[in-house]
Amino acid sequence: AQKVTQAQTEISVVEKEDVTLDCVYETRDTTYYLFWYKQPPSGELVFLIRRNSFDEQNEISGRYSWNFQKSTSSFNFTITASQVVDSAVYFCALIPLGAGTASKLTFGTGTRLQVTL
Amino acid sequence: EPEVTQTPSHQVTQMGQEVILRCVPISNHLYFYWYRQILGQKVEFLVSFYNNEISEKSEIFDDQFSVERPDGSNFTLKIRSTKLEDSAMYFCASSVGFGNTIYFGEGSWLTVV
Repeated sequence: AQKVTQAQTEISVVEKEDVTLDCVYETRDTTYYLFWYKQPPSGELVFLIRRNSFDEQNEISGRYSWNFQKSTSSFNFTITASQVVDSAVYFCALIPLGAGTASKLTFGTGTRLQVTL
Repeated sequence: EPEVTQTPSHQVTQMGQEVILRCVPISNHLYFYWYRQILGQKVEFLVSFYNNEISEKSEIFDDQFSVERPDGSNFTLKIRSTKLEDSAMYFCASSVGFGNTIYFGEGSWLTVV
């Protein structure tokens, strides 16, 4: 069985601060994908990134960056120079790709990020 | 940009009534899903659908629930006799293939009273 843990329930920062959202996962599969989704107050789930378990390169997209460390089973997400529009709940999720598994996302419990002026 | 669309965005129903939530997945996608999020909680998998049949379902997806792809574009979730605890946001999603990115619709908020 898969498990995704987001230990930070809620984080509050002031605009322009950097913030890192933690994600730790467990899976017995050697091949898997990791995801981050954003859920703004309007409720939709917005895809941010998908990372293959074989690709440990860090990724940067504008103010967003992701640090994948297979050795510690972590896939952390950093927002640089946060803005009020970044206020949302952020979910980390995993899909295993082992034999007999279906394409089913296991989500963490989410981290609510509040960015204030 | 192609997107998953869901209707209705919000539905209020009486306990015991049947509800059908509708979804139009992204057109070239082959895998379809329903997920559920009870207010303030994490997103939970309900069911995945591929090649016109259920490929996996969770414990939540009991006999009350059913899914259907009635035509080439729609994908529906039916709850036969709603209970108070079915109140949640229901997300439809789709992906082009196994393990590919799963794109979500904006959700259908179901309130059972």
